[in-house]
Amino acid sequence: EAQVTQNPRYLITVTGKKLTVTCSQNMNHEYMSWYRQDPGLGLRQIYYSMNVEVTDKGDVPEGYKVSRKEKRNFPLILESPSPNQTSLYFCASRVRGRDEQFFGPGTRLTVL
Amino acid sequence: QQQVKQSPQSLIVQKGGISIINCAYENTAFDYFPWYQQFPGKGPALLIAIRPDVSEKKEGRFTISFNKSAKQFSLHIMDSQPGDSATYFCAASMAGGVNDYKLSFGAGTTVTVRA
Repeated sequence: EAQVTQNPRYLITVTGKKLTVTCSQNMNHEYMSWYRQDPGLGLRQIYYSMNVEVTDKGDVPEGYKVSRKEKRNFPLILESPSPNQTSLYFCASRVRGRDEQFFGPGTRLTVL
Repeated sequence: QQQVKQSPQSLIVQKGGISIINCAYENTAFDYFPWYQQFPGKGPALLIAIRPDVSEKKEGRFTISFNKSAKQFSLHIMDSQPGDSATYFCAASMAGGVNDYKLSFGAGTTVTVRA
């Protein structure tokens, strides 16, 4: 089944404790993105990647890091999480030159 | 600063009624306008999309109306069903350049269909 998977689905952590949210897609898509979803703000892009080893900042990159060492994986790293990073996070992928994005199921992160 | 403004924030409609969600944009370079549907606990999924060369697109009970001069587009859900209860996001993107197909989302509208 073609899909985008994220792990973990739920995470509660404390301020300053480094964490990684994994994202993997099995559709051989070139483009991958991370979004955060907050009430009243919709989805905002954090980082995106156009291919292996090619990443760039989105609209709200502060406090986040990403890497793209393999085409299928695009982990999101929070080196020192803060409470304002409490949010619902989505990974998405798409084919180069096509518009439709395919989203993962989301990761609910709470930073205490 | 959101590039796509969406309203209303929420709406309640009776089964069989019409749901209407409106979006407005400023960037005239946008050339692709999708709507995504999100059910609780799931990621958004593409519902229907339109390009500015047409004024309307219909897929089943879902219709996008597009007004290029007013820089507005809307989603109409006809004969609304309880299974349509979800959050709907409008979005916009443009092809080419550093922002190639980068989606800018509206804030979302939560639709509740009462049986």
